[in-house]
Order: sequence, then C-alpha cells, then structure tokens
Amino acid sequence: NAGVTQTPKFQVLKTGQSMTLQCAQDMNHEYMSWYRQDPGMGLRLIHYSVGAGITDQGEVPNGYNVSRSTTEDFPLRLLSAAPSQTSVYFCASSYRDPNTGELFFGEGSRLTVL
Amino acid sequence: GIQVEQSPPDLILQEGANSTLRCNFSDSVNNLQWFHQNPWGQLINLFYIPSGTKQNGRLSATTVATERYSLLYISSSQTTDSGVYFCAVLRGNNRLAFGKGNQVVVIP
Repeated sequence: NAGVTQTPKFQVLKTGQSMTLQCAQDMNHEYMSWYRQDPGMGLRLIHYSVGAGITDQGEVPNGYNVSRSTTEDFPLRLLSAAPSQTSVYFCASSYRDPNTGELFFGEGSRLTVL
Repeated sequence: GIQVEQSPPDLILQEGANSTLRCNFSDSVNNLQWFHQNPWGQLINLFYIPSGTKQNGRLSATTVATERYSLLYISSSQTTDSGVYFCAVLRGNNRLAFGKGNQVVVIP
C-alpha cells in the first residue's frame, strides 16, 4: 500500500514550457486534490475531484488544468509555465467526502520556473 | 470563504517544555484536521477533530466548534516535534482551507 505517490519530486522549467505533475493513490479514495505551498501562504487549493470524470476549481486554479479519467490518477498540467508557478505542489486524497475522514498527502513536488 | 487563523506564528521551545497552538476559524465547520510538516517537507496527519478532545501520545487536541477554535497541545516537547503545524477546516464544499501554520522549533 504505497498511499499517495507524486512524480517528479523536483523539476526545473523555463517560462512557457509545459509539464504534468503526476499523482496516484492506491487507497480507492474518491476525493483527490492538488495544493500549492508558498512561503508565508500556507497551502492553497488548486483543483479537486470527487470522483472519476468530475473536477472542480479551488482557490487558485488559473494556469492549471486537471482531469480524472480513473479513480487512481489525478494529473496536474501546466500548459505554459510562469515564474509565479514556482512552488511546492502537494497531491492529497481522502474517502468520498472529506467530512468523514482524513486527508492523506503525497511527499510533494518542488517546481522551479526560470 | 472561511478564514483560518493560527497563533502564535512562531514558537521556540526548550526540549521538555509544553506548548499550546491555537486555530481560530470564522464559520461553522464540518471537518477540522491538524497536520505536522516536518523539516523534510512531509505532511503528516495528526488529528481529525471536528469537535471534542483526542490524544495521541504526547499530543492532544481539543476543538470547541460552538466557539470556533481548536487547540493543539504538545507536552514534553522533543526536537522531532520541530516543524510547522497546520490547521485545516472544511465547511461542506469539499474544500479544506488551511491556516498559515505555526512554526515550532524545539532546541535541545
């Protein structure tokens, strides 16, 4: 049982490049989400999904796309990276309704955009 | 949206000391969790505690939902307790809102 797995752990991009952060969980969780963490800002929600085929925007969705084709995977796409997207990204999952239990996090992906 | 405020923002403790971290939130919530982010950046679940009191070893937490606050107690602190403690709340829209964290440094 690996939990929540994120790849890559580190990435450096140039402005305008695109990339995908991968997130997979093996706990059969319906709810998955992406957060970014910036100094002094805590964690802010980018996008989330309550099940396969369903996604919704969080607090800071601009510049990011997501899709949820399977229960296990929830990739985050940056179509045209900007320096403002330099951050640490966390994927998290929980059972169908976060009201009913804990949120589990991956180990994070540190992204630098030059 | 719901506001989450944590205090104190920074705390330095001598090993063995006790401390209390506070989380205030601006509206009624369905879910409240405490997390610890260790110096390596990993986020560890501490408590899922929308109300009441829970204890886990040297840590305990109390949430008074009617008064919109939660407290995290660290007793007999150890250097491994260093890191940032986050409070996160959810108010029925599948969005956990995080506070900015309490930075704790425990010195030997």
